[in-house]
Amino acid sequence: DSGVTQTPKHLITATGQRVTLRCSPRSGDLSVYWYQQSLDQGLQFLIQYYNGEERAKGNILERFSAQQFPDLHSELNLSSLELGDSALYFCASSVRGQGHGELFFGEGSRLTVL
Amino acid sequence: GIQVEQSPPDLILQEGANSTLRCNFSDSVNNLQWFHQNPWGQLINLFYIPSGTKQNGRLSATTVATERYSLLYISSSQTTDSGVYFCAPTSGGGADGLTFGKGTHLIIQP
Repeated sequence: DSGVTQTPKHLITATGQRVTLRCSPRSGDLSVYWYQQSLDQGLQFLIQYYNGEERAKGNILERFSAQQFPDLHSELNLSSLELGDSALYFCASSVRGQGHGELFFGEGSRLTVL
Repeated sequence: GIQVEQSPPDLILQEGANSTLRCNFSDSVNNLQWFHQNPWGQLINLFYIPSGTKQNGRLSATTVATERYSLLYISSSQTTDSGVYFCAPTSGGGADGLTFGKGTHLIIQP
């Protein structure tokens, strides 16, 4: 158990819908990262938050957004869903922000868009 | 961004065999991690190893940052070692997320 909690574990929805994925980082970790794993793109970095503020942006679509709350949990919002958004979405946390400490990953949220 | 190349892409071994997985990267790094993704999709931390050598049981890893590569050694393989092994460095800028290689898909047969 990495200590990073993600919900829901599985989610099935239809095209055009909106979903929210939730992540609670390990106790004491200030950074939260979101990653998407799909069969054709592999594991891709989406976005990082550090202590409530956006720190780095990767290959995140404009239809996707994220935030980190004062209690340090984070949410990833995916809207106007397309079939290609079906993927495993991981959250990771670390103590540090820039320069990275060791990242620990949650078990992922598997999204299926029909 | 940093480019990551892992080899071999696929590896099938018998239980008890040893293996070496390689990760080449294109830029200087200030962080490098090895992960094992098990058949259930969980990403499990193996090593945090921006440089030097570490050992954990049957697994060990070495990163030679000056030559831009890292190696993961698995000895006396077990069927539970099956899965995908990812190398994930962060470049010297440090502000970006880990960049994952495409992984090595390891199958250990009984």
